[in-house]
Amino acid sequence: AQSVTQLGSHVSVSEGALVLLRCNYSSSVPPYLFWYVQYPNQGLQLLLKYTSAATLVKGINGFEAEFKKSETSFHLTKPSAHMSDAAEYFCAVSDQPGGYQKVTFGTGTKLQVIP
Amino acid sequence: SAVISQKPSRDICQRGTSLTIQCQVDSQVTMMFWYRQQPGQSLTLIATANQGSEATYESGFVIDKFPISRPNLTFSTLTVSNMSPEDSSIYLCSVEGGVTRTQFFGPGTRLTVL
Repeated sequence: AQSVTQLGSHVSVSEGALVLLRCNYSSSVPPYLFWYVQYPNQGLQLLLKYTSAATLVKGINGFEAEFKKSETSFHLTKPSAHMSDAAEYFCAVSDQPGGYQKVTFGTGTKLQVIP
Repeated sequence: SAVISQKPSRDICQRGTSLTIQCQVDSQVTMMFWYRQQPGQSLTLIATANQGSEATYESGFVIDKFPISRPNLTFSTLTVSNMSPEDSSIYLCSVEGGVTRTQFFGPGTRLTVL
């Protein structure tokens, strides 16, 4: 069974500082991995996804994530935080390439950016 | 990516009543999904709706409480029946798209039950 663990329900960074949001997954087969962002009072927006191509994945808004199989991790980073990055971020995994993709979400990490 | 709209965007309802949430997609899709996001929590899949067949419900969710319709390839509804305050959540629909079968989400329906 697939699962996702996000370390830290709340993360605070200063504007301009590095953003690091942690995600570890469990999957019995090579997974698809996703990061979604949810701004206040909005739905989820896809930031980036890993689908067994390049292990370093670049997404929107300057975010990127690196798939590390040995560590079963898919941490999200951004070199310099912006005030507009304040939101909740969800890591998700799917390990069912056949049929429909049943996606399992992590519990989310709320990012606060301090001016 | 698909453009997904939901109606209503939010509602406040009385205990014991029912609310039907609509989800409209701008393109034809095979699979549509309904999620619940309870306050301060992550997303939980309620059911998967395939056009022309009965919805498939996840453990803990039943058709009598959350009936779903899928009349065509661009539209689905989720009804929250006999509501209680515990049903206060954001309800999101999503569709699967692209070669990698990524899920794209609607803006959600914020439901408050008094």
